[in-house]
Amino acid sequence: KAGVTQTPRYLIKTRGQQVTLSCSPISGHRSVSWYQQTPGQGLQFLFEYFSETQRNKGNFPGRFSGRQFSNSRSEMNVSTLELGDSALYLCASSLLLDRGTEAFFGQGTRLTVV
Amino acid sequence: SQQGEEDPQALSIQEGENATMNCSYKTSINNLQWYRQNSGRGLVHLILIRSNEREKHSGRLRVTLDTSKKSSSLLITASRAADTASYFCATAPRAYNSGGSNYKLTFGKGTLLTVNP
Repeated sequence: KAGVTQTPRYLIKTRGQQVTLSCSPISGHRSVSWYQQTPGQGLQFLFEYFSETQRNKGNFPGRFSGRQFSNSRSEMNVSTLELGDSALYLCASSLLLDRGTEAFFGQGTRLTVV
Repeated sequence: SQQGEEDPQALSIQEGENATMNCSYKTSINNLQWYRQNSGRGLVHLILIRSNEREKHSGRLRVTLDTSKKSSSLLITASRAADTASYFCATAPRAYNSGGSNYKLTFGKGTLLTVNP
């Protein structure tokens, strides 16, 4: 079974630009979550999608947005990039079961804003 | 905000020794998960323990959970150089349910484990 796939693996963008990151979850998983990891703030929850609906959002500005498609693939978009957006962006997919479920992560997209 | 807090922040041991990492959290949880991360790569899921479980084993890993103290520990026995990585605990909120609402993980800052050959 293929794991969670994130593309691209690395990105370099200029301040003010926008960027779109992609995540393909494990087949059959309908929940996709996004996390930002920085040395200063650690791993922080961005948002979670389930059946194309955003159900939960972390404490990030509106420049961060996302969506999920009918095949469960997800994209996140960051507009008007700032230097502080440089981070490793991780996507996780989950099956979601009653008694707890693991979240499986992709390798991440390393975004550098210059 | 970070709910989980790992202790210690860094741990250096010799191959063959055991490594113990601790995690504390603040709110009621549905489950607690441990992850490993090698040098800025993705997170690898190690083990999940549910709130009604007290101990769980997987290979050389042993996880305990004490919900009264809101704490968990991860023990890696007979460590190897390949175990060198950062280890994170993550909690899923009690409000989570199978309908899927409010499913998000809150991570601690991690323990950096170095296993010297």
